[in-house]
Amino acid sequence: QVQLQQSGPGLVKPSQTLSLTCAISGDSVSSNSAAWNWIRQSPSRGLEWLGRTYYRSKWYNNYVVSVKSRITINADTSKNQLSLQLNSVTPEDTAVYYCARSGETSIDYWGQGTLVTVSS
Amino acid sequence: QPALTQPASVSGSPGQSITISCTGTSSDIGSYNLVSWYQQYSGKAPKLMIYEGTKRPSGVSNRFSGSKSGNTASLTISGLQAEDEADYYCCSYTTASGFEWVFGGGTKLIVL
Repeated sequence: QVQLQQSGPGLVKPSQTLSLTCAISGDSVSSNSAAWNWIRQSPSRGLEWLGRTYYRSKWYNNYVVSVKSRITINADTSKNQLSLQLNSVTPEDTAVYYCARSGETSIDYWGQGTLVTVSS
Repeated sequence: QPALTQPASVSGSPGQSITISCTGTSSDIGSYNLVSWYQQYSGKAPKLMIYEGTKRPSGVSNRFSGSKSGNTASLTISGLQAEDEADYYCCSYTTASGFEWVFGGGTKLIVL
């Protein structure tokens, strides 16, 4: 059974960097059949996929165009965890952030979610 | 704006069947058989109910079924139960802007 446990601050100041981590159990972040995603949800934007990282002999990343200049998703194989960094945040980045695993055809396991509020 | 269009709400009585539609384009639903459906209770993470348009993960009731026609996917819940009251989201793979997963705006299912 795959389990994803998120951690990170719930309050970030405008213009600063949002940082979250996701500890993975029951699978490997360097699995050759999975990808590791960050998704956020807010009342104004609904569910929004932000990006993913995956390993297929080397590491690959895909990011949604709307945040591509501000986002970094990394994998830490020594800790079997995933991280998200979102730079230069504004109040519009206030949302519940989820890490999630995907296979070839769907997003199948989700973390518990972390509410991140951007406010001074 | 969500990339996929869903009705804001649907309702039905216990025992009845309801269908939730999800309309996309030829860049997502119309081109790929990679539609998934999620159930979400307030304050909880989404749960996968249907993948690849019609398949159910282990443990999901056979009262949930999926289908697709053209650019529109549908989720049908038969034999409605009070516990089915939740938000439902569709999701599709798209290559409109490179690789991306896109979601619908969500449908609130009300069990009367």
